[in-house]
Amino acid sequence: EAQLVESGGGLIQPGGSLRLSCAAAGFIFNDYGMTWVRQAPGKGLEWISYIVGGSSSTYYADSVKGRFTISRNNAKKSLYLQMDSLRVEDTAVYYCARDGALGPIDCWGQGALVTVSS
Amino acid sequence: EIVMTQSPATLSVSPGERATLSCRASQSVGSNLAWYQQKPGQAPRLLISGASTRATGIPTRFSGTGSGTEFTLTISSLQSEDFALYYCQQYNDWPLFTFGGGTKVEIK
Repeated sequence: EAQLVESGGGLIQPGGSLRLSCAAAGFIFNDYGMTWVRQAPGKGLEWISYIVGGSSSTYYADSVKGRFTISRNNAKKSLYLQMDSLRVEDTAVYYCARDGALGPIDCWGQGALVTVSS
Repeated sequence: EIVMTQSPATLSVSPGERATLSCRASQSVGSNLAWYQQKPGQAPRLLISGASTRATGIPTRFSGTGSGTEFTLTISSLQSEDFALYYCQQYNDWPLFTFGGGTKVEIK
């Protein structure tokens, strides 16, 4: 069974940096594109970044472009999100997720809470 | 960016009744549409992909229809475990995914 486990969330001041990690298990990690989706408190889902399985091409939502960097280490079956210049509005639960078939997200982590506050 | 609009925001339904949720895209997404269920404190779960194909293990009371810009998720007979939030997602503009704002299905 495919599993994703995030780590690295926490409380950070505005302007600070944080790195989220996501450990994958139960599937051939490098065969899949991976994505980060966030959810602000009481709000809906927002896609923020994607990394292709084989080529490691990356994509970002405008809201995080230039501040966040997605990366992966296929040997370690791990996905990362480096978040810099954090803003109060980046406060959210961040989900690591697997792109099942060029679009539908068929596996989600439990989420990591990031709180940006002074 | 493709904007996804869900309606209604909240749907009040009695157990055993039918629930019909709508999702509209700002431009055609073909059949590249997925539905997710999210319960409080949990991650979303994939229900439907390709507008109408149930994911593994999803009960047959969940069905999806539509193509282009208009989509519907129907829950034929609501069970207690179905009261939750539901989101649609387009992936026609892969991998620049966008989600709808969600519909909360609550007990009437």
